This record gives sequence, structure tokens and C-alpha cells, in this order.
Amino acid sequence: ILNVEQSPQSLHVQEGDSTNFTCSFPSSNFYALHWYRWETAKSPEALFVMTLNGDEKKKGRISATLNTKEGYSYLYIKGSQPEDSATYLCASYAGNNRKLIWGLGTSLAVNP
Amino acid sequence: DTEVTQTPKHLVMGMTNKKSLKCEQHMGHRAMYWYKQKAKKPPELMFVYSYEKLSINESVPSRFSPECPNSSLLNLHLHALQPEDSALYLCASSQVGGGLATDTQYFGPGTRLTVL
Repeated sequence: ILNVEQSPQSLHVQEGDSTNFTCSFPSSNFYALHWYRWETAKSPEALFVMTLNGDEKKKGRISATLNTKEGYSYLYIKGSQPEDSATYLCASYAGNNRKLIWGLGTSLAVNP
Repeated sequence: DTEVTQTPKHLVMGMTNKKSLKCEQHMGHRAMYWYKQKAKKPPELMFVYSYEKLSINESVPSRFSPECPNSSLLNLHLHALQPEDSALYLCASSQVGGGLATDTQYFGPGTRLTVL
């Protein structure tokens, strides 16, 4: 059974701070890593799908890197804004079970 | 239209009631999913439909009955639920399904279900 872990569990930063958090996943039998952003009372929003070791993806001020050999991905937010406040979830695709295995998320609060 | 809609937003039901949750997408996606999420837990996959056929049932109790009338609609019929079934029920869709690892899932906002 896969375990996907995210740290920290929660994070409070000031507006303008840059921040990052971690998603750890089993490196064996890796297929793909998905990042989502989930604002309260809204739908989870897909950010990135990553498959290749060393891959880096960027969307505005948010970027992510992937290390499939050691089983981790970092999500970076540059110059955090209050609208970045959300829970950031990662999920690793479990090929044997044909489904996403989700982490618990990192809850980010950006204070103005 | 890149939206997945779910109705109702909130549902309160007794243990003897029968109710249904509805999900709709108009993105031409061929896979649709039901997830259950309880507080401080990750989303838990319940069912997957691929090309309108049930492809995954994660050993969900029979008091939950999914239905996919067509490729745009997904229902979850509820009967004789227990208080521990209270949770947020999320619907998602993806372009292909069928075990494609990079297939992005697009989520609805969920139905908050309370079973009394």
C-alpha cells in the first residue's frame, strides 16, 4: 500500500514571503505525481501533473519539482499573496490499483 | 465549459431516507469518479466509471449505489445510510480514465452530507 505524506501540515506566512512544502511518495513503481490546490468552499483545482525525474513545472508564481529516485516533490510559491491561501494536495498514481493515492495536504494561510 | 457541477451542495438525511447526489460535466470527459472525504483525511476513492461502465468499486457498501446514465452525468443513490457516512462527497471527471496515470481529474465543489 502506498503512503503519500505531506509536510508541513499547516503553514502561516506573511504576504510577500516565498514558501515551499514537500510531498513524499514511494519511489518504486512510480507513474505520476499530481498537485492540486483546494480553496475552502471551492472545487479542488489541478495545478501540475509530473512524471519525469528532474522535471520542473511552473504556473505563474507557483512551481514544482520532482525527484522520482528519492520519492519527493517540492511545491514553491514565490511572493505569497492572500489569494494563495488554500490547502495544497499531492497525489501519486498507484499503477497496481489504477487510482490516485492522496496526501493529507498542506494548509497555507497568507496574512495580508 | 471546464466545470463539474454537483447538486445539492448540502444534504441532511435520516437513516431511513433515500436520496441521490448528482454530478454533471460537459467537457466531453469519458471517466467519472466519486470520492468521499472526511475531515482531516485525504479523499477516498469510491467508484470510477469509464466509458459509462463501472470500472472500479473500492469495496463500497451497497447502501451506496452509483449510476452513470450517460457520459455527462453521474449519480450516487443513497439508502439506509449510517451517521458515519456523513462526509463531503466529491465528484470528478477526466478525459480518458482507464488507468492513465497522467489523466488530470477535474473536481466539483462537493456535496456536504449529514446523516442523522
